[in-house]
Amino acid sequence: DIQMSQSPSTLSASVGDRVTITCRASQSIHDWLAWYQQRPGKAPKLLIYKASSLESGVPLRFSGSGSGTEFTLTISSLQPDDFATYYCQQYNSYSTFGQGTKVEIK
Amino acid sequence: QLVESGGDLVQPGGALRLSCAVSGFTFSSFGMNWVRQAPGKGLEWVSIISDSGGAAFYADSVKGRFTISRDNSKNTLYLQMNNLRAEDTAIYYCAKQAPGTGWFFDYWGQGALVTVSS
Repeated sequence: DIQMSQSPSTLSASVGDRVTITCRASQSIHDWLAWYQQRPGKAPKLLIYKASSLESGVPLRFSGSGSGTEFTLTISSLQPDDFATYYCQQYNSYSTFGQGTKVEIK
Repeated sequence: QLVESGGDLVQPGGALRLSCAVSGFTFSSFGMNWVRQAPGKGLEWVSIISDSGGAAFYADSVKGRFTISRDNSKNTLYLQMNNLRAEDTAIYYCAKQAPGTGWFFDYWGQGALVTVSS
């Protein structure tokens, strides 16, 4: 089974900050990686797929990069709506999510 | 739109069937999934079924106990859960497979809460 590990688990930041979240896979997943945002009490929302492709309607301040085993999600300028938990998901072999990164207000 | 139903409190060893009613897209053209989230925890993929219903896959944690199915004439996805355990307690989301290649999910329901407790 492919394991996914995100860091940090919690991130404190201010509006306007540049934020980077890292996701590591236990083996190569090529670029079969997605990122989701989940606000409290809500369903997850797809942000990025195939490591770097932006889902339609998602603001351009979100970007993804990486391949193989190491990936990043970057928010270029954090907005109030962006305080949420972010999950990576590999879909190279079945599907596995990372444990999540909570972005909190500093 | 995806709307789950059927969540409930059930005793360990019991059974429950979740439903997910779909509208707004051609249901029969897309694979469908169940993803769960234990209280205060992260996301766990549970199962996927192909667009035709001819193929299904499961996470090891539910294999042999859960069965995914679909009725394309009713635009409805199902999850039959048997021999339920305390660790199956979670919000269960149905999620649509995005177009193209890959098991990633572009639309999600609001979730149904399943509580397994005596």
